[in-house]
Amino acid sequence: QKEVEQNSGPLSVPEGAIASLNCTYSDRGSQSFFWYRQYSGKSPELIMFIYSNGDKEDGRFTAQLNKASQYVSLLIRDSQPSDSATYLCAVTNGNTGKLIFGQGTTLQVKP
Amino acid sequence: EPEVTQTPSHQVTQMGQEVILRCVPISNHLYFYWYRQILGQKVEFLVSFYNNEISEKSEIFDDQFSVERPDGSNFTLKIRSTKLEDSAMYFCASSEAHGGVIYFGEGSWLTVV
Repeated sequence: QKEVEQNSGPLSVPEGAIASLNCTYSDRGSQSFFWYRQYSGKSPELIMFIYSNGDKEDGRFTAQLNKASQYVSLLIRDSQPSDSATYLCAVTNGNTGKLIFGQGTTLQVKP
Repeated sequence: EPEVTQTPSHQVTQMGQEVILRCVPISNHLYFYWYRQILGQKVEFLVSFYNNEISEKSEIFDDQFSVERPDGSNFTLKIRSTKLEDSAMYFCASSEAHGGVIYFGEGSWLTVV
């Protein structure tokens, strides 16, 4: 069973702090890695994607990928209360193209 | 910005009835998906569709489910003889390329009573 694992949280950080969200995956054949944000009752919204080892930055968000360790993370700098949501890690295998999701980490940013 | 649209946003149906959930994927996308999320659980893959045929389906996607692209724009999920455990949010999604970014619609919340 190919799995994506996340700590369900909640992860609580004060406003302005850095939030660090982590994800591990079991399938070494995974090729594309995504972070989605999901507000309660809403659909997943793409935040970042990363394909290669290393860091990828987009505004306040940085995705980090380490394929050797099968680990992907998302850093959110200067966290805002509006960042409070569930963050879903998802991976695809090039053979299938489908997304396999983790259970999500709930982030709470406290003013 | 192009988006995936889904109808209805919410449907309540009697157990045993048939339901059709409709989706209009992003216009230049070629790969279409249905996912579902039972309340409080993870998003689960149901089926992928490319070139007018199913490319992959999960074990959840049994004979009760079917998908169709009846015309050049719509993509539908049919659930026959609904069961209580089919109650979930159903998300349609599409992508331009295989393994590329997948964009989700707003979801159709199905309640089976």
